[in-house]
Amino acid sequence: DTAVSQTPKYLVTQMGNDKSIKCEQNLGHDTMYWYKQDSKKFLKIMFSYNNKELIINETVPNRFSPKSPDKAHLNLHINSLELGDSAVYFCASSYTSGRAVNEQFFGPGTRLTVL
Amino acid sequence: GQNIDQPTEMTATEGAIVQINCTYQTSGFNGLFWYQQHAGEAPTFLSYNVLDGLEEKGRFSSFLSRSKGYSYLLLKELQMKDSASYLCVLNQAGTALIFGKGTTLSVSS
Repeated sequence: DTAVSQTPKYLVTQMGNDKSIKCEQNLGHDTMYWYKQDSKKFLKIMFSYNNKELIINETVPNRFSPKSPDKAHLNLHINSLELGDSAVYFCASSYTSGRAVNEQFFGPGTRLTVL
Repeated sequence: GQNIDQPTEMTATEGAIVQINCTYQTSGFNGLFWYQQHAGEAPTFLSYNVLDGLEEKGRFSSFLSRSKGYSYLLLKELQMKDSASYLCVLNQAGTALIFGKGTTLSVSS
């Protein structure tokens, strides 16, 4: 019954590794997002997909590559992990009607620790 | 561009009323959200204002003045469980949400 789910919840890895975080929503939303929340608790958008198409791509290193196989899934792959990538990554989803944005529902977050 | 300002921390006691202010600057206003985030958890939706005025929802109310670039979240009858971070979130024209840095509210008995 979970609306927005992410796996894994915790991810600890070494510098230089490649890792993926998965996100799924069962709300029928057409737009999905990835956010990064750093140690100062500042939540910042990274990517947004609407109907599987990339619509927002903020200034994020190209080591980060989102992939949306369908409207219900938005995965985040990170290559060559760096210490500064340690953060909590939140997936979210919403309906997007015209130019308005409706309430976003957030997943539980994935706490990534790079050693 | 866009900028959101809200106090970093606030403290209050159980049963009290607290008002968390937020000022913003944006080139394309399309609404303002308030989210609540408990430590270690995901943000959850509290309110959405797109027109000027007050939106009331139980113990929580949110106010918006577009001309002043100002909003506040009012929490009444504070409870210990209201201790959390409160995020002022700007809905910029398009599909981007811009999050403020949050106000950490500590409620004591």
